[in-house]
Amino acid sequence: RKEVEQDPGPFNVPEGATVAFNCTYSNSASQSFFWYRQDCRKEPKLLMSVYSSGNEDGRFTAQLNRASQYISLLIRDSKLSDSATYLCVVNIIVRSGGSNYKLTFGKGTLLTVNP
Amino acid sequence: NAGVTQTPKFQVLKTGQSMTLQCAQDMNHEYMSWYRQDPGMGLRLIHYSVGAGITDQGEVPNGYNVSRSTTEDFPLRLLSAAPSQTSVYFCASRATGESYEQYFGPGTRLTVT
Repeated sequence: RKEVEQDPGPFNVPEGATVAFNCTYSNSASQSFFWYRQDCRKEPKLLMSVYSSGNEDGRFTAQLNRASQYISLLIRDSKLSDSATYLCVVNIIVRSGGSNYKLTFGKGTLLTVNP
Repeated sequence: NAGVTQTPKFQVLKTGQSMTLQCAQDMNHEYMSWYRQDPGMGLRLIHYSVGAGITDQGEVPNGYNVSRSTTEDFPLRLLSAAPSQTSVYFCASRATGESYEQYFGPGTRLTVT
């Protein structure tokens, strides 16, 4: 099983739609979780961290289910500017007793929001 | 702050040539890493460093060397370029600790012919 798996996509939605991305991770020792956004031919940038209790940032809601090892991202009222690839990212400890963490990225899901 | 900078932005190499991709950050981050991104493969970790003088291998280290003589710089060396190393390379840095945001450089697009 891959360490981080995402919906393969692509997703094509009209403006104003609600779209949800799902992600699963295999390492139960995973410590922290993020969603990154990557625009075409640009570097990835942090969209939001994902907290155990779930968290919201404007139109974006992230949720984590540690028991199921599942992360989700919901985008409400999609805008044209939301068109990008969304990367699920998981941080795991690679060496105990220290601050040696490794970020593992999913392959990403391409979202296109159409007018 | 300039953040994470990478040079060059584009590079074309012939098979067998060597070169160094430069990466620098001005945020005093201890943790730096190199990734390559290929279509359908996502971001894959090549090498990483948790501080000056300390480096370790990632998922796909073969054909690449790194060194970390200062906190700011983390160059990636291609020893003998191969067409399979055609990719987009991203350098990244973050503060140590599990919850800190990782910042990426703008990337280097490398083509090996």
